[in-house]
Amino acid sequence: QKEVEQNSGPLSVPEGAIASLNCTYSDRGSQSFFWYRQYSGKSPELIMSIYSNGDKEDGRFTAQLNKASQYVSLLIRDSQPSDSATYLCAMNSGGYQKVTFGIGTKLQVIP
Amino acid sequence: KAGVTQTPRYLIKTRGQQVTLSCSPISGHRSVSWYQQTPGQGLQFLFEYFSETQRNKGNFPGRFSGRQFSNSRSEMNVSTLELGDSALYLCASSWDSQSSGNTIYFGEGSWLTVV
Repeated sequence: QKEVEQNSGPLSVPEGAIASLNCTYSDRGSQSFFWYRQYSGKSPELIMSIYSNGDKEDGRFTAQLNKASQYVSLLIRDSQPSDSATYLCAMNSGGYQKVTFGIGTKLQVIP
Repeated sequence: KAGVTQTPRYLIKTRGQQVTLSCSPISGHRSVSWYQQTPGQGLQFLFEYFSETQRNKGNFPGRFSGRQFSNSRSEMNVSTLELGDSALYLCASSWDSQSSGNTIYFGEGSWLTVV
């Protein structure tokens, strides 16, 4: 079993809709969780970090963490074509700054 | 504030050669980690350095090595290159490495093609 599981997609949503991206993980000891966005040919850029159970909102983005279910999600409200990218779920594992990434979910926002 | 800087951005090497990639972290960041990204395997952790010491290592062969200098700049080296080493190599830096879980910030990456 992979440490971080994501559906690779593509996930297609119409412009203006809510995009829901999901991630499950196996290491119960993970304490820090991250969502990165990666455009084709570019490096990953941080969208959100979340450390506690519950929701964390930043603009159109909401990260949700449920440690009991080992589940992390990212909601993107009012999706825009510019949100079309691969979204990487990641978490700190193994101590210090070792971060484990999921394979990424490709999101396509259709105008 | 300058971000993570990686050089060179693009390079082509021949099988059997070696390559050295360089990374300058964000000013004040003392932890530097390296990742390999390929279409099939995604982002995979190579190693992490803090205060010139390797603290974590991923599951890569010994051909992959790295080091960190006293100014926190880091280099990684791949010897005896194989076709499968073709990938995007990403360097990331982090602020406080005395504890786990700090956010890492990526550079633009070095695209390595092995022919």
